[in-house]
Amino acid sequence: TQLLEQSPQFLSIQEGENLTVYCNSSSVFSSLQWYRQEPGEGPVLLVTVVTGGEVKKLKRLTFQFGDARKDSSLHITAAQPGDTGLYLCAGAKSALNFGKGTSLLVTP
Amino acid sequence: DAGITQSPRHKVTETGTPVTLRCHQTENHRYMYWYRQDPGHGLRLIHYSYGVKDTDKGEVSDGYSVSRSKTEDFLLTLESATSSQTSVYFCAISEAGTTYEQYFGPGTRLTVT
Repeated sequence: TQLLEQSPQFLSIQEGENLTVYCNSSSVFSSLQWYRQEPGEGPVLLVTVVTGGEVKKLKRLTFQFGDARKDSSLHITAAQPGDTGLYLCAGAKSALNFGKGTSLLVTP
Repeated sequence: DAGITQSPRHKVTETGTPVTLRCHQTENHRYMYWYRQDPGHGLRLIHYSYGVKDTDKGEVSDGYSVSRSKTEDFLLTLESATSSQTSVYFCAISEAGTTYEQYFGPGTRLTVT
């Protein structure tokens, strides 16, 4: 059973555009983590959000944890080709439960 | 970057042969994990270890076994490989429990023909 649904599945945009990807569930999580995975490599942790309503910023990336701790979003401002990759969310609930990811392509 | 290596990085093997993948860490983290990643399924947990000789099953453990005789090494064995086990396998480590941040190795691409 997939606890976390990520949308959109694929996203192709041009450099400079803004975008938001979503991670949704009907389950409550104690925390939620975001990872980025580049082709041929393992996922790399970007951020962990713990408190409902929490917002964290990492340069041009803004992460938000839903008030009810069931969902999260990742907003990228002025996307760059270096942002290309697979973005995975993972909810903590006895174990880490990974979504299937959003594959982002940013073209120059 | 966390010190995690996986070997081999690529392997092609025939159906029915045994295969062992190795994960080695230099971080002295207590927890180690094996995942497989497949299109349409995402990352799925196979087995994990919470200490030397302490292991437990994950979501997709059938056909796989693991061993951890030293803190730094976690082995994944396919006793008799099948084509359905063609996948990319990732090892991960975490300092604390199974809900904590995980650090991943570079992956092993396994093809079973």
